[in-house]
Amino acid sequence: EAGVVQSPRYKIIEKKQPVAFWCNPISGHNTLYWYLQNLGQGPELLIRYENEEAVDDSQLPKDRFSAERLKGVDSTLKIQPAELGDSAVYLCASSLVQDTQYFGPGTRLTVL
Amino acid sequence: QKEVEQNSGPLSVPEGAIASLNCTYSDRGSQSFFWYRQYSGKSPELIMFIYSNGDKEDGRFTAQLNKASQYVSLLIRDSQPSDSATYLCAVKDSNYQLIWGAGTKLIIKP
Repeated sequence: EAGVVQSPRYKIIEKKQPVAFWCNPISGHNTLYWYLQNLGQGPELLIRYENEEAVDDSQLPKDRFSAERLKGVDSTLKIQPAELGDSAVYLCASSLVQDTQYFGPGTRLTVL
Repeated sequence: QKEVEQNSGPLSVPEGAIASLNCTYSDRGSQSFFWYRQYSGKSPELIMFIYSNGDKEDGRFTAQLNKASQYVSLLIRDSQPSDSATYLCAVKDSNYQLIWGAGTKLIIKP
């Protein structure tokens, strides 16, 4: 069974540029999560989807971050414009409803 | 503010010894508890989950849960250098939100 797929694995951009991350969850997993992780810290939830619906986006900085999950499968997380403080690892995870979360490899973002 | 607390470490353990990792949580209504391992530069991977008070064993790993004292621990027997990683504790609270600790860095010395 394929795991959670994320791309790109690494991204380097200059501040004020836009950036987008893509995630394909484990087949059959209807819940999808986007996390941000800084060095030495645990993951911080940005947004959680149940199928197509964003059921928890309270921690998503909506002035510059947006996300979508069309058709309830793949998801895209976008930052526009990026700031220096956005440098982090962006993790996507998926699960069956209320079940164990499985993580993708992450995207390491560096904003210069 | 619901919290999950872990000692950041590093915790240094000799090879072959038992490594003991601890985690405390603030929400008494928490439902389920997870331990993830994260190697440097990699994403978290699930090691174990536990729902009920007591011990749960899986190979060299044992998770221990004490809801009355609001702590959960992970024991690693016969520690190997490959066990060197950061161990993240995650707690599903009474609102079914997963709250993460900051992780404990474990170093197994050959």
